[in-house]
Amino acid sequence: DVKVTQSSRYLVKRTGEKVFLECVQDMDHENMFWYRQDPGLGLRLIYFSYDVKMKEKGDIPEGYSVSREKKERFSLILESASTNQTSMYLCASRRTPPNYGYTFGSGTRLTVV
Amino acid sequence: DQQVKQNSPSLSVQEGRISILNCDYTNSMFDYFLWYKKYPAEGPTFLISISSIKDKNEDGRFTVFLNKSAKHLSLHIVPSQPGDSAVYFCAASPNFGNEKLTFGTGTRLTIIP
Repeated sequence: DVKVTQSSRYLVKRTGEKVFLECVQDMDHENMFWYRQDPGLGLRLIYFSYDVKMKEKGDIPEGYSVSREKKERFSLILESASTNQTSMYLCASRRTPPNYGYTFGSGTRLTVV
Repeated sequence: DQQVKQNSPSLSVQEGRISILNCDYTNSMFDYFLWYKKYPAEGPTFLISISSIKDKNEDGRFTVFLNKSAKHLSLHIVPSQPGDSAVYFCAASPNFGNEKLTFGTGTRLTIIP
């Protein structure tokens, strides 16, 4: 069974900390994505990557950066965590089209205090 | 600019009856559509999809209808079961290149026993 694994289910961090959210997929997918989910706002795209060392900004990249040094791993970095970054973070991967479906990880619930 | 809209944040349906979830889109370049289901503290899971060359796709209790002229799609679940209680997201993509999915804001479906 294909898998996208997010390293932490729950995280609590302090304002100003640098936070790393890790995502690993075992499907040899080219494309990887980071979303955040907030009530009433749905899933909003933060960053995505089409290949190793490639990255593209999504709809809400401010305050975030990403790293993709290996095909299977896509990291989301909060440079200086703020309370408005408290959210559910979801990683997803996908083969290059024509298969358009994403496989999602279980999510990381991040609380910034 | 919300290109994919789910105007009903919540829906309650009696067990055994039909659940109908609606989704509207504005981008005429979208021609591939998907529904995802999400339980609390879990990542979304793929449910069913439809290409714009079809107007209906069926998979067991789930049927998706697409009305291209109205830019509207709907998900029918019949009969509804308690395990269907979840948040449902519709998503859309153009059918070319390496385009990412655009998600709606979600509808929370509650099945009443």
